[in-house]
Amino acid sequence: EAQVTQNPRYLITVTGKKLTVTCSQNMNHEYMSWYRQDPGLGLRQIYYSMNVEVTDKGDVPEGYKVSRKEKRNFPLILESPSPNQTSLYFCASSLSASGSYNEQFFGPGTRLTVL
Amino acid sequence: RKEVEQDPGPFNVPEGATVAFNCTYSNSASQSFFWYRQDCRKEPKLLMSVYSSGNEDGRFTAQLNRASQYISLLIRDSKLSDSATYLCVVDTGRRALTFGSGTRLQVQP
Repeated sequence: EAQVTQNPRYLITVTGKKLTVTCSQNMNHEYMSWYRQDPGLGLRQIYYSMNVEVTDKGDVPEGYKVSRKEKRNFPLILESPSPNQTSLYFCASSLSASGSYNEQFFGPGTRLTVL
Repeated sequence: RKEVEQDPGPFNVPEGATVAFNCTYSNSASQSFFWYRQDCRKEPKLLMSVYSSGNEDGRFTAQLNRASQYISLLIRDSKLSDSATYLCVVDTGRRALTFGSGTRLQVQP
């Protein structure tokens, strides 16, 4: 089954404790991205990746890191989480970044709470 | 001004009603447009793309007005299962999609 998976689905942590949210897709998509969703603000892009070893900042990259060592995986790293990073996070992938083939396939989401 | 603006709603309509949402975008260079649907606490999923000439998919019709920079979604004969948040999405060609905050629809029996 074609899908995007994220782990963990739910996480409660404390300020400053490094964490990683994994994302994996099995559709051989080149483009992957991370979003956070907050009430009234909609989905905002954190980072994206056009292909292996190619990553770039989205609209709200502060406090986050990513890597793309393999095509299928795109982990999101919070080196020192803070309470303002409490949010619902979605990973997404698509065949391409723009045009007709950029339907975004989303993972199920990770609900992160930073105390 | 937000790049993509939507009325957050909620729109409360009875079953069988016709309901329409609008969405405005600020970047005149925007190239592609989409409507996504998001159920409560779930991931967004593509509902339909929006083409320049307008397009229809069953009970759903999408329109694009480039001159006024807005897109619309019309839902006919609303079903209970249509209750969700509808996200307007714009591709500005900057290698990223810009999402609106969403319009919540609640269809009531």
